Amino acid sequence: DAGVIQSPRHEVTEMGQEVTLRCKPISGHNSLFWYRQTMMRGLELLIYFNNNVPIDDSGMPEDRFSAKMPNASFSTLKIQPSEPRDSAVYFCASSLGTTNEQFFGPGTRLTVL
Amino acid sequence: GDSVTQMEGPVTLSEEAFLTINCTYTATGYPSLFWYVQYPGEGLQLLLKATKADDKGSNKGFEATYRKETTSFHLEKGSVQVSDSAVYFCALSDRLGNTDKLIFGTGTRLQVFP
Repeated sequence: DAGVIQSPRHEVTEMGQEVTLRCKPISGHNSLFWYRQTMMRGLELLIYFNNNVPIDDSGMPEDRFSAKMPNASFSTLKIQPSEPRDSAVYFCASSLGTTNEQFFGPGTRLTVL
Repeated sequence: GDSVTQMEGPVTLSEEAFLTINCTYTATGYPSLFWYVQYPGEGLQLLLKATKADDKGSNKGFEATYRKETTSFHLEKGSVQVSDSAVYFCALSDRLGNTDKLIFGTGTRLQVFP
């Protein structure tokens, strides 16, 4: 299995632009998680889905952030408009709901200038 | 709510030294406990886990024992290698419905020098 796939690996954009991060979970996994990692705040859970349904989005920082999971093999995290304080590494992880091990993707390093 | 507290780093050791990274937790139920490792430029990987009190998780020479009486899950390794240099995260599971949400500690950076 290829593991969790994220794209792009690096994104540099200017303040005010829309940013879309993509994730393909491991085939057969039914839970998907989006995390943000910064030096100041560590690893934060933004939102997670179970069977494509958002379960808990309390970690989404504000309305500029949105996430979708249109099917079991694809999810997006969108930031519109982006701000410099959104600069971070964004991780996607997936798991099989009946176990609790999460498998992480390699992350997307976002820089907002 | 549930939380995880782990020792601040960086932890700096010479090769073959003994390692302990402390982790304590607060939980209302009976969570599973985990150690994840993050190598530079990569995502987190599960290192070991324990699902109930007195369980010992082990992998790659690392061990941790689920201590309910002290609410701890300290990570240990008898002889570290340069290749163990990474950030280590302690975590607990918090089940909501059919999904386990993981609550992570802040991470402890380990640096091993030859």
